[in-house]
Amino acid sequence: GAVVSQHPSRVICKSGTSVKIECRSLDFQATTMFWYRQFPKQSLMLMATSNEGSKATYEQGVEKDKFLINHASLTLSTLTVTSAHPEDSSFYICSARDNRVMNTEAFFGQGTRLTVV
Amino acid sequence: AQTVTQSQPEMSVQEAETVTLSCTYDTSESNYYLFWYKQPPSRQMILVIRQEAYKQQNATENRFSVNFQKAAKSFSLKISDSQLGDTAMYFCAFSIGGSQGNLIFGKGTKLSVKP
Repeated sequence: GAVVSQHPSRVICKSGTSVKIECRSLDFQATTMFWYRQFPKQSLMLMATSNEGSKATYEQGVEKDKFLINHASLTLSTLTVTSAHPEDSSFYICSARDNRVMNTEAFFGQGTRLTVV
Repeated sequence: AQTVTQSQPEMSVQEAETVTLSCTYDTSESNYYLFWYKQPPSRQMILVIRQEAYKQQNATENRFSVNFQKAAKSFSLKISDSQLGDTAMYFCAFSIGGSQGNLIFGKGTKLSVKP
């Protein structure tokens, strides 16, 4: 299947700093990327949907000024957690698909474990 | 709004036996997709099987099959000949037709396959 690479896999940052997470589609063009958050022993919750070249659409309750999403190219989307706090510690997962291809699924990255100390 | 319910937080099965994981969903949409994802300890999300709502035939992938009951809004996963490598969290998920990426997940079922 298609490959989506997410980096870094783990990051520890100090409270108040910002962290950038990258999501790359390696062998297809991702017109749409999705960012999910997963708390320990819980399910995945969609945070936002980004379309290449457009502003991201955020789910209710997700602060767009805190979780900045950039999808400037067909192979790269970034999620920046700004002014991180311990409550932002979580597992963040991206997925990507090519909306121009009929009946194709979305492929997931490996996830990023963020710890804010 | 769409919801996905998995009523079994944990299940266990003996190696080589068969296990069925339950999932129900609620939607007013007529065109949608249903998925089962596996999340092993590595936390990589792996697509196990996918079902298009307009297809009456149940999807199958090797040892994995679904029982899709559209009227009852039920989508259970059957794993035959369970293997130790099947041990993982299993999430049932829903997406509106055409998007297939904006997924709504159930809370998951932790499956343990015992030797």
